[in-house]
This record gives sequence, structure tokens and C-alpha cells, in this order.
Amino acid sequence: DVKVTQSSRYLVKRTGEKVFLECVQDMDHENMFWYRQDPGLGLRLIYFSYDVKMKEKGDIPEGYSVSREKKERFSLILESASTNQTSMYLCASSFAGVRGNTGELFFGEGSRLTVL
Amino acid sequence: SQKIEQNSEALNIQEGKTATLTCNYTNYSPAYLQWYRQDPGRGPVFLLLIRENEKEKRKERLKVTFDTTLKQSLFHITASQPADSATYLCALGGAGSYQLTFGKGTKLSVIP
Repeated sequence: DVKVTQSSRYLVKRTGEKVFLECVQDMDHENMFWYRQDPGLGLRLIYFSYDVKMKEKGDIPEGYSVSREKKERFSLILESASTNQTSMYLCASSFAGVRGNTGELFFGEGSRLTVL
Repeated sequence: SQKIEQNSEALNIQEGKTATLTCNYTNYSPAYLQWYRQDPGRGPVFLLLIRENEKEKRKERLKVTFDTTLKQSLFHITASQPADSATYLCALGGAGSYQLTFGKGTKLSVIP
């Protein structure tokens, strides 16, 4: 079975701290994604990567950066955490799919971040 | 701007009935559409994918339709069971695009 593993299920950080969220997938997927999910707003794409060292901004990249040094690992970085970044963060991966379209996404269990 | 609407935030249905969830979109020409199930505190799980040139897809008790003229997808669960209670998300993707855009989801409750 495909497995997407997120490093922490729950984190509590203070405003201004640097936060790393790690994600590892074991199916040799090309694509990896970071979403955040908030009540009433749904899933919103922060960043995605379609290859090692490649990254693309999603809909809400401000305040975040990413790193993909190895194919199986995609990290989300909050350089200086703020209270409005309190959220559920979901990592996902997929094969490139037909005609470059994204195939089905495999999600991790999520990381619930609270910024105080 | 692109907009995706799922018909309601919550839907209650009696066990054994068919649940029908709606996904409407505007200002978008998706090449494909996906449906996911999400349980509380868990990540979404993929259910079905349907492409723009397909009218209908089935998988066990699930059926998805895709009408590009109406800009709408319908997701049906026949013979619904309490275990089908979850939030269901639709997601749209464009041709050659790595990005999926998600709707906000519909929370389905199947009442015994």
C-alpha cells in the first residue's frame, strides 16, 4: 500500500518560531503537495513539486517555503510562525498521471499545528 | 475566478436510501474530476476519477456522473450505510495541470 507519512500529528509552537513539517512517501511518486485545511475554507494548496528540487506556488504560498532534495521527501517550512497559520496541514503525493494530469492523490494523516 | 460549490455543507439520509451529492463549478473547464472521502481527523482518501469525455463511472455502490454542459458532477451512494457517514470532497483538475482545486465538502450522515 502507498504510504504518505507526516512527521508530526500535533505541534504547538510560539509566534515567530521556525517550523518544519516533514512528509515522506514510499511509492516513487513524481508529484508532492502541501495543503492546509480550515473549517469553512476547505483544502487550499500551498505549494507543490513535480520533481526533485522543483517547486511551484499554489494558491496561498505567502509565509511558507518548501524543500524537495530527494524524490520521496517534501518539507514545508514556516520561517516565522504566526497565529493565522494555525491549521491542519496535509501532505499528498501522486503519479504524474495521463497527459501530465495529476492522478489520484494519496494523503498523509495530517499535522495539526497550533501557533500561540 | 474559478469557483467550486458542493451543494450543501451537510446532508442527512436514512440508511438504505441513495445519497446524492452535487459538485458545481464556474469559470473553469476541467479535464477531469475526482471524489474523495474524509473521516474526522484523517486525510482524504481517493474514491473515483472521471474524465471530461466520460459521462459516468461506477465502483461498487458508488456512481459518479460528469456533465460539462451543466458544469456539474453528481456523486451517488446507493444502499447507504452508517459507515458511509463522512465528508465527501470533489476536486477538479485542468488539462496538463498538476494542481487540483477542491470544493469545501459535504458532510454526509447516514441515519440507522
